[in-house]
Amino acid sequence: EVQLVESGGGLVQPGGSLRLSCAVSGFSLNRHWMHWVRQAPGKGLVWVAHINNDGSTTNYADSVKGRFTISRDNAKNTLYVQMDSLRVEDTAVYYCAREGTGWSKDYWGQGTLVTVSS
Amino acid sequence: DIQMTQSASSLTASVGDRVTITCRASQSISSYLNWYQQKPGKAPKLLIYTASTLLGGVPSRFSGSGSGTYFSLTISSLQPEDSATYYCQQSYSSPLTFGGGTRVEIK
Repeated sequence: EVQLVESGGGLVQPGGSLRLSCAVSGFSLNRHWMHWVRQAPGKGLVWVAHINNDGSTTNYADSVKGRFTISRDNAKNTLYVQMDSLRVEDTAVYYCAREGTGWSKDYWGQGTLVTVSS
Repeated sequence: DIQMTQSASSLTASVGDRVTITCRASQSISSYLNWYQQKPGKAPKLLIYTASTLLGGVPSRFSGSGSGTYFSLTISSLQPEDSATYYCQQSYSSPLTFGGGTRVEIK
């Protein structure tokens, strides 16, 4: 059974940092591109970043470019996002998602809440 | 960036009704369009990819159509468990973008 489990969310002050993890099981992580998608409270889905199979290629939404870093450890079956210089507007539930057929996101984690507030 | 517009932010229908949700792209995205269902407090679930391919295990009452800039998701006979928010998402080019969502409520 495919599973993605995020962790690392919590309350952080503006300007602070946080690292989220996404532990996967039930499939080989090295065969899939992976994504982070976020959802602010009561709002829609927003793509944040993606990373290719071996981690050599990454891409970011303009809103997080230069502040967030996506990475992966295929040996540990884990995806990460390092979030620095956090802003109040980064407050959201963060989901990791697997790239599937047709560039869809076919499996998602349950999400982890990041709250940026003083 | 490609803008995805779901014209209806919400709709209300009765059990058994045929429901259609539309999504428009700001430029042609061929068939690189996916549909997701999200229930409150839960992660999104993929329903349809490449505009019209139903993911395995998704009820056949769901169908998708369209190409280029205009797409639709149809629920042929609305069921109580279909109460959710539905999002379209283009995977034609980066940044990947989602529509604003259409909330479907049961009358």
